[in-house]
Amino acid sequence: EAGVVQSPRYKIIEKKQPVAFWCNPISGHNTLYWYLQNLGQGPELLIRYENEEAVDDSQLPKDRFSAERLKGVDSTLKIQPAELGDSAVYLCASSLDRIGQTRNTGELFFGEGSRLTVL
Amino acid sequence: GQSLEQPSEVTAVEGAIVQINCTYQTSGFYGLSWYQQHDGGAPTFLSYNALDGLEETGRFSSFLSRSDSYGYLLLQELQMKDSASYFCALGAGSYQLTFGKGTKLSVIP
Repeated sequence: EAGVVQSPRYKIIEKKQPVAFWCNPISGHNTLYWYLQNLGQGPELLIRYENEEAVDDSQLPKDRFSAERLKGVDSTLKIQPAELGDSAVYLCASSLDRIGQTRNTGELFFGEGSRLTVL
Repeated sequence: GQSLEQPSEVTAVEGAIVQINCTYQTSGFYGLSWYQQHDGGAPTFLSYNALDGLEETGRFSSFLSRSDSYGYLLLQELQMKDSASYFCALGAGSYQLTFGKGTKLSVIP
């Protein structure tokens, strides 16, 4: 079974440039998450999707960040324009159902992440 | 909101046992998970406790006390490959999974 696939693995851009990250979750997983992880810190939730609906985006900086999950499968996270402080690893994860549901055992499956460096 | 506290660093000797504690504050609790992350790698799931008590998976065990808002991860027979960061993660509130800041475990010979 294929895991969560993310691309690109690494991206270096200059500030004010746009950047996009792509995520393909595990087949059949209804819930998709985008997390941001700074060096030496734990992952922080940016947005959570249940199927194609964004149900929790309270931590997403909406002035520059946007996300979509077309047809409830793949997802794209975009930053425009990027700032120096956006340098981090962007992690995508998926799970069968949301936390608290019977089929969710607390396990999220993470991709390898996209490491962004803004110069 | 939710908050978690765990030690930032722990060092232990190969072959020994180490315990990583996690305390949390929340309203609405679903469960406490543990994840391992090697440098440059993805977080990988280790265990999950929804009810009080001990869950054992091979060399790893996890414990939860909901009345004390406390849990721990126990690693036995430490190996060099166990050197990594370990995160407790709280399932609570509006179906969120909130991660702690992580504990960096260094296993020394």
